[in-house]
Amino acid sequence: EIVLTQSPTTMAASPGEKVTLTCRASSSVSYMHWYQQRSGTSPKLWIYETSKLASGVPNRFSGSGSGTSYSLTINSMETEDAATYYCQQGSSYPPTFGGGTKLELK
Amino acid sequence: EVQLVESGGGLVQPGRSLKLSCAASGFTFSNYYMAWVRQAPKKGLEWVATISTSGSRTYYPDSVKGRFTISRDNAKSSLYLQMNSLKSEDTATYYCARHDKDGWFAYWGQGTLVTVSS
Repeated sequence: EIVLTQSPTTMAASPGEKVTLTCRASSSVSYMHWYQQRSGTSPKLWIYETSKLASGVPNRFSGSGSGTSYSLTINSMETEDAATYYCQQGSSYPPTFGGGTKLELK
Repeated sequence: EVQLVESGGGLVQPGRSLKLSCAASGFTFSNYYMAWVRQAPKKGLEWVATISTSGSRTYYPDSVKGRFTISRDNAKSSLYLQMNSLKSEDTATYYCARHDKDGWFAYWGQGTLVTVSS
């Protein structure tokens, strides 16, 4: 099983600040996918195949990485971006998720 | 618009069974793998099961293998999860999700809460 480790676990950012969340895999994966989950709602696909934005995702978001190291970046933090973000690999079974990064508004 | 609507959750005693359902609309159900993903209270996401388009192939993690069974009815655009021998650690919100190629979960339902407690 591929273990995904996200860092930081929790962070706070001010409006306009650049934010980078990281996800490290215990073995190399082909792609990384990311989900946003706002409080009390179901997860939403946010970035797929490492760098492709899901429908409706603002272009201040971007994804990058390869092998065992991936990241999600918000170019300029906005209020609506406060949420928990999960990375997920589907390269091999079982599909696994990272523990999540809770991003709060400062 | 893609919609996934789960039902069937509730309070159940340890060792008992429960069957969840998911009604899909807004896409050609029979063309996609489908999955269940759960989230224990205040915890992260855990994949529970996946089923192929025809239903001939199913996949489970060790934590539920032999206890849970995923199935589908393409004529009804419906997905199911039969859960047997339930344990307290199965307490979670269960989400139905479309499991797309290259392994991402493209759409999620609103979830249904399963509480296993005496």
